[in-house]
Amino acid sequence: GEQVEQLPSILRVQEGSSASINCTYENSASNYFPWYKQEPGENPKLIIDIRSNMERKQTQGLIVLLDKKAKRFSLHITDTQPGDSAMYFCAASANSGTYQRFGTGTKLQVVP
Amino acid sequence: NAGVIQTPRHKVTGKGQEATLWCEPISGHSAVFWYRQTIVQGLEFLTYFRNQAPIDDSGMPKERFSAQMPNQSHSTLKIQSTQPQDSAVYLCASSTTGGMNAEQFFGPGTRLTVL
Repeated sequence: GEQVEQLPSILRVQEGSSASINCTYENSASNYFPWYKQEPGENPKLIIDIRSNMERKQTQGLIVLLDKKAKRFSLHITDTQPGDSAMYFCAASANSGTYQRFGTGTKLQVVP
Repeated sequence: NAGVIQTPRHKVTGKGQEATLWCEPISGHSAVFWYRQTIVQGLEFLTYFRNQAPIDDSGMPKERFSAQMPNQSHSTLKIQSTQPQDSAVYLCASSTTGGMNAEQFFGPGTRLTVL
């Protein structure tokens, strides 16, 4: 079990509201959880990550939560702006030598 | 630092032709990854090199796809007898450490179109 599930696949929110993306993983040895943002026509770029020794991390309007018991982690974007519209990918990896597994992506649309 | 370089940015091939995609990782990065991105399948892992050695190619379609990393400054992904379903954006990424628990830096991708 190495899959990373990501939901929703499409998320449409009003400008100024918050957006939440959820991911679950199967490998209990996973200990690194990055989030990547891919703007249209661009390559994915890391925006925030969390390691298993933390339950919460916040930076510049982004919050990530990690629930190791439930094997679940989430990204919360507060006060969304049009510039937040993009594809977002979660990922999970472990020290055991396996590659970083990516979720299927969430297309976030922030509408005025 | 130019970031990860991928060439060509766009490639159009006819069905049955060969396509070779190039990736130059960030200098000093020891791990190189190849992914394929489509709207339907999302971001699919293909293969992974660490210190030029192939570590995991479990995502590679076995029959027509091959990847090499002859030196630390470039990797190639070769697709033989291309098919329309190979049309996708092929992304290369590199990472500083062994690659598992570190940020991956993605290149701009090569958009392959097979007619």
